[in-house]
Amino acid sequence: AQSVTQLGSHVSVSEGALVLLRCNYSSSVPPYLFWYVQYPNQGLQLLLKYTTGATLVKGINGFEAEFKKSETSFHLTKPSAHMSDAAEYFCAAHGQNFVFGPGTRLSVLP
Amino acid sequence: ETGVTQSPTHLIKTRGQQVTLRCSSQSGHNTVSWYQQALGQGPQFIFQYYREEENGRGNFPPRFSGLQFPNYSSELNVNALELDDSALYLCASSQGRDGTEAFFGQGTRLTVV
Repeated sequence: AQSVTQLGSHVSVSEGALVLLRCNYSSSVPPYLFWYVQYPNQGLQLLLKYTTGATLVKGINGFEAEFKKSETSFHLTKPSAHMSDAAEYFCAAHGQNFVFGPGTRLSVLP
Repeated sequence: ETGVTQSPTHLIKTRGQQVTLRCSSQSGHNTVSWYQQALGQGPQFIFQYYREEENGRGNFPPRFSGLQFPNYSSELNVNALELDDSALYLCASSQGRDGTEAFFGQGTRLTVV
C-alpha cells in the first residue's frame, strides 16, 4: 500500500527566505505525485503535480518540486516566502486514489 | 473557484443520528471521490463513484455509504454517527476513472456532539 510522509508538521520561515517542505512516498511503482495547499476553512487547491516527463515541476505562486526516484522524494520549494504562503501543505500520491501525507503547516514570519 | 460545490458548509449532529452530505461535480466530470479530513490530519479516502457505480473504497465501515446520480452529483451518507466522525468532508470531482485531474470542493464541516 502506498504511504506518504511529510517531515515536519510545522515549518516556520522568515518572509523572503527559502521554503522547503519535505515529502517522501512509499511505493514499488512511482505514483503520480501532487502538492496541495489548504487555507483555513477551505478545500484543497492544487499547487503542482508530477505525472511523467520532466522531474522538475513548476506550479502556481512560484512553487516548484523535484521528483527524485532514487530518494522516493518530492520536496516542495519556493525561493522567497511571502506572508500569503502561510497555510497547510499536503503532499499526495495517486495510484487508484489519492493518499495524502499528514500535512505541514507553514508559518511565515515578518 | 473549482466548480465543485458542497452543501451544507457546516452542520452539527448528535451521536447516533444520520447525516447526508451533498456534492455537485464540475461540469463535464463523471467521477466523484469523498475524503474525510480529521482535525490536524491529511484527508483519508472514503470511496469513489464513477458513472453512478462505486469504483473503490477506503478503510471505512459500511455505515459510510454513497450515491452518484445521473447528473454525476453525489451524496455521502453516514449512519449511527460517532464522535470520531467529526471532520471536514471533502468531495473531489474529475473526468475519467483514474481521477488524477481532480478538483476539490470547499468541504462540509461536520461536528458530532
